[in-house]
Formats: sequence, C-alpha cells, structure tokens
Amino acid sequence: DAKTTQPTSMDCAEGRAANLPCNHSTISGNEYVYWYRQIHSQGPQYIIHGLKNNETNEMASLIITEDRKSSTLILPHATLRDTAVYYCIVRPVSGNTGKLIFGQGTTLQVKP
Amino acid sequence: DTAVSQTPKYLVTQMGNDKSIKCEQNLGHDTMYWYKQDSKKFLKIMFSYNNKELIINETVPNRFSPKSPDKAHLNLHINSLELGDSAVYFCASSQPRGGPDEQFFGPGTRLTVL
Repeated sequence: DAKTTQPTSMDCAEGRAANLPCNHSTISGNEYVYWYRQIHSQGPQYIIHGLKNNETNEMASLIITEDRKSSTLILPHATLRDTAVYYCIVRPVSGNTGKLIFGQGTTLQVKP
Repeated sequence: DTAVSQTPKYLVTQMGNDKSIKCEQNLGHDTMYWYKQDSKKFLKIMFSYNNKELIINETVPNRFSPKSPDKAHLNLHINSLELGDSAVYFCASSQPRGGPDEQFFGPGTRLTVL
C-alpha cells in the first residue's frame, strides 16, 4: 500500500503556480520523497526527489516540512502541458529493491 | 532517440492465447521493471530484474513470465490470457547507485483481451 495521501484532484490557472500537497506522516528516516507524473496515455515521468532539504530543478520545486511528515510540489508557472496525474511516493534508499509504490495521485487540471 | 521502448503499442487478442511484450532500453541501466496499470488507473509493480537476475516478483500469476536475454531487454510473456489481464503494461529502467535513482518509463503497451 502507498504510504502517502494526496488530494484526488486540483485545478490551476495557466501561468500561475501549482502547489500539490502530499501527506506522508509515517515516513521513516531512510525514506526519500519522490514525485512522478503521468500525462494522459504516456508512461510516468520522474520530476524530483528529496530527503529533508528543499530541492529545485528545471521542472519543479519540492518543499519538505521540517518534521518530514508532508511535502509540497510546486510547479512555478503551470502550462496546459502540465495537466497530468501527479504521484507522491516514499521510497527507502538502503536495501532498496527499486520498486515504486504508486497511490491514486492528484489529477491536476491546468485551465486557460 | 527513445530511451525505453516497448513493442507493440497496442495488442488485442482472444482469451486463452499466449502473447509477448518486448522492452528495450538504451540507457545502459542495470535494472528493469514491469508495471501494470489497470482500468482504475492504479500502477503496480510486477517484476524487476537486475543484470538479468530476478529481484522482485510481486505475487504475479505464474502465467506471467519475464525474460531478460541481456540487461538491455526485459520481455514479458503471458500464457493463457484472461479478461482480467487487460491493462496497460509499462516497462521501466533505472541505474541504482546505492542511493536515490530515477526510473525511466516506456510509452506503455495497451493489452485488450476479448
């Protein structure tokens, strides 16, 4: 079972920041937070990951609370092409078999 | 160039048939995976191979048999297809480095069993 909880759906206006929350209150100290997204009819795509510090790359920013029990993925200027299902996943690093456990994700609809 | 490719993209077949889905990655990764996405859109891991060795088998029926002829290929053979096997199957690969790694997914194979 997925160890994360996300809202089922969200809307965002094009050009505005999209903030996608994720609750992972049972996260362990050796588990990373990963974000993937799945655009309709495509394979999932890696976005970003973090352990405890905030992270930023060319796609998004990841803000992790100090207690690590929740995080927020931020798409700074959402476009119509960002419409997708966004998955928040926690995953151990050590002893990692590599598998990703997907939950239901958040369906983000970016509107013009 | 496509990093992770799958063939065929669509597969329609009758119940009871045997079919194969092929996956190839040109990223030089050591680990490859098969995931299944059912009609309710839930994505679940099925198998994982590392350097041609099976490391994950998530209680998948014996009718499903992965085969890895080399570390760039992971094929999925399904015997005696059932209606419930209808789904989208995704192949993925990654390069574990003892730390966090990202998985690269293929475009998926939509299997329809009639």
